[in-house]
Amino acid sequence: NAGVTQTPKFQVLKTGQSMTLQCAQDMNHEYMSWYRQDPGMGLRLIHYSVGAGITDQGEVPNGYNVSRSTTEDFPLRLLSAAPSQTSVYFCASSPRRGNLETQYFGPGTRLLVL
Amino acid sequence: AQSVTQLGSHVSVSEGALVLLRCNYSSSVPPYLFWYVQYPNQGLQLLLKYTSAATLVKGINGFEAEFKKSETSFHLTKPSAHMSDAAEYFCAVDFGNEKLTFGTGTRLTIIP
Repeated sequence: NAGVTQTPKFQVLKTGQSMTLQCAQDMNHEYMSWYRQDPGMGLRLIHYSVGAGITDQGEVPNGYNVSRSTTEDFPLRLLSAAPSQTSVYFCASSPRRGNLETQYFGPGTRLLVL
Repeated sequence: AQSVTQLGSHVSVSEGALVLLRCNYSSSVPPYLFWYVQYPNQGLQLLLKYTSAATLVKGINGFEAEFKKSETSFHLTKPSAHMSDAAEYFCAVDFGNEKLTFGTGTRLTIIP
């Protein structure tokens, strides 16, 4: 299994541009989520999905859209990038939603918005 | 309010010395507790998790953590630090809403 994969690894955007961060997992996990990691702030939940066709907002959803058309893929869309969205983005998955489920993280996408 | 606090954003220990990374939480209900490790330019991976079966939890790479309800703590320890332990460590808590709240992280440096 490849686990959780993310593309691209690194991206530079100009303010106002749009882009999609890709996330895929091959473990047949029901639960997938997106986090952003900023210095001194740990990881913060952006959006999550408990299964295909079901998504919900996390702690910091503004400026981001998600969809979950298949179990495997969970793309994160930035409609109009802003410098405040400069961050490292991690996708994670777990077999199901639950208190004791281990989350498996992808390698991250480093985004710079100028 | 529910929160997770990691004391010390940077910790340095000598190789072979005890590693102690602190995590405290604020919650009125028993939480679910996790420690994750992040090596440079990688994603996070689970070190250990508290499942309420035992207060002392053993994880990978010789790490362990003890849940102390009276102190609302879940500190991470390793008896003898190794150079390969240099990484950033995150305490994470599920306050019963099936979402993880992460601490701000502690960067561990090992001094040869």
